[in-house]
Amino acid sequence: SQQGEEDPQALSIQEGENATMNCSYKTSINNLQWYRQNSGRGLVHLILIRSNEREKHSGRLRVTLDTSKKSSSLLITASRAADTASYFCATDASAAGNKLTFGGGTRVLVKP
Amino acid sequence: ETGVTQTPRHLVMGMTNKKSLKCEQHLGHNAMYWYKQSAKKPLELMFVYNFKEQTENNSVPSRFSPECPNSSHLFLHLHTLQPEDSALYLCASSQQSGEKLFFGSGTQLSVL
Repeated sequence: SQQGEEDPQALSIQEGENATMNCSYKTSINNLQWYRQNSGRGLVHLILIRSNEREKHSGRLRVTLDTSKKSSSLLITASRAADTASYFCATDASAAGNKLTFGGGTRVLVKP
Repeated sequence: ETGVTQTPRHLVMGMTNKKSLKCEQHLGHNAMYWYKQSAKKPLELMFVYNFKEQTENNSVPSRFSPECPNSSHLFLHLHTLQPEDSALYLCASSQQSGEKLFFGSGTQLSVL
């Protein structure tokens, strides 16, 4: 089974609201990354958080990492219609040969 | 613009055709990757090249044949594909394995 699994699979919110999505994984990791994908396009890297870090911010994005629970969350504050996309977590684990393993993604729809 | 360019953007081919996908990165990265993204499935890693050497072949059928002539270029040669091979094929690069990936826009492949 896949290393990273996102929850929920889909999320619909109003513009201005916050969006939170979670990622759970199974094995110890070196880092966890979040990516964004607009429909039919390539993925764009958002944030990388290392295993010894607990929280990271980038603009309206906030990522947390709880290695004891093997989980991470991505929070998008004050969402905009342009945030509509799929969001994926990816884990880098030594057990996986330092190859990134992606989850199935969360589809976020921000309604204007 | 991520610095990773993929061509073509769209490709329709019959099962008896031979075609090639091309990827070029202008970032000076040492690792390049092919991923397959099918509907309702997580991103699947197909091949990894580090310093032009193939370091990963993730049980990919032989009808997919990668080629990495130098550290900036990556090809995926396709022959006798099946309809279930229809998917978005994404190329990515990174400075080294496990670090953040820069993706191209992908090739949307349809096999008839």
